Amino acid sequence: NAGVMQNPRHLVRRRGQEARLRCSPVKGHSHVYWYRQLPEEGLKFMVYLQKENIIDESGMPKERFSAEFPKEGPSILRIQQVVRGDSAAYFCASSPRSYEDPYTFGSGTRLTVV
Amino acid sequence: AQSVTQPDIHITVSEGASLELRCNYSYGATPYLFWYVQSPGQGLQLLLKYFSGDTLVQGIKGFEAEFKRSQSSFNLRKPSVHWSDAAEYFCAVGATGNQFYFGTGTSLTVIP
Repeated sequence: NAGVMQNPRHLVRRRGQEARLRCSPVKGHSHVYWYRQLPEEGLKFMVYLQKENIIDESGMPKERFSAEFPKEGPSILRIQQVVRGDSAAYFCASSPRSYEDPYTFGSGTRLTVV
Repeated sequence: AQSVTQPDIHITVSEGASLELRCNYSYGATPYLFWYVQSPGQGLQLLLKYFSGDTLVQGIKGFEAEFKRSQSSFNLRKPSVHWSDAAEYFCAVGATGNQFYFGTGTSLTVIP
């Protein structure tokens, strides 16, 4: 019974490159959430998706960031033209129904921009 | 606006001693409250949750938390800490809009 799988675990990108973070939710979970954890800070909500739909992206930066959760395959968080300030741990979580169900978190992707 | 405050950034306790981690929240309605634990380099694991009913909730690993509406608090407790409990602990409130609001975390160090 696999949990939430995120890959890669570590990602290094040069400034200006693109970063793609992948998240496979728990089997049967249709709700996916992305959070960002900056050093010495708590987790900040970024986006909530269901299959093929973005439900709430109020925490996403307006530019360079996008997310998708296609009908088939993992959810993808994409960061274009990365900058040093994007360096953080990005966590994906999934739940079977809605926020009343506690999240199951992945182990995160640690993005370092050099 | 919803928010979660964990006033203690770092706590050190001796193994076998009792533990209490503080959490205060701001939310207009009855909140859904959670405690998560994060070990270094790992994701977050759910310790316990409060939705309604009994205000004292039991979780995994011997943890419990008490919801006090009058104090807007949801403090985490453990009667006897083990060295393996050293980790980062996050309190979270579930709000409408399907997002959780997390505190900034409390780092726990356990000394022998």
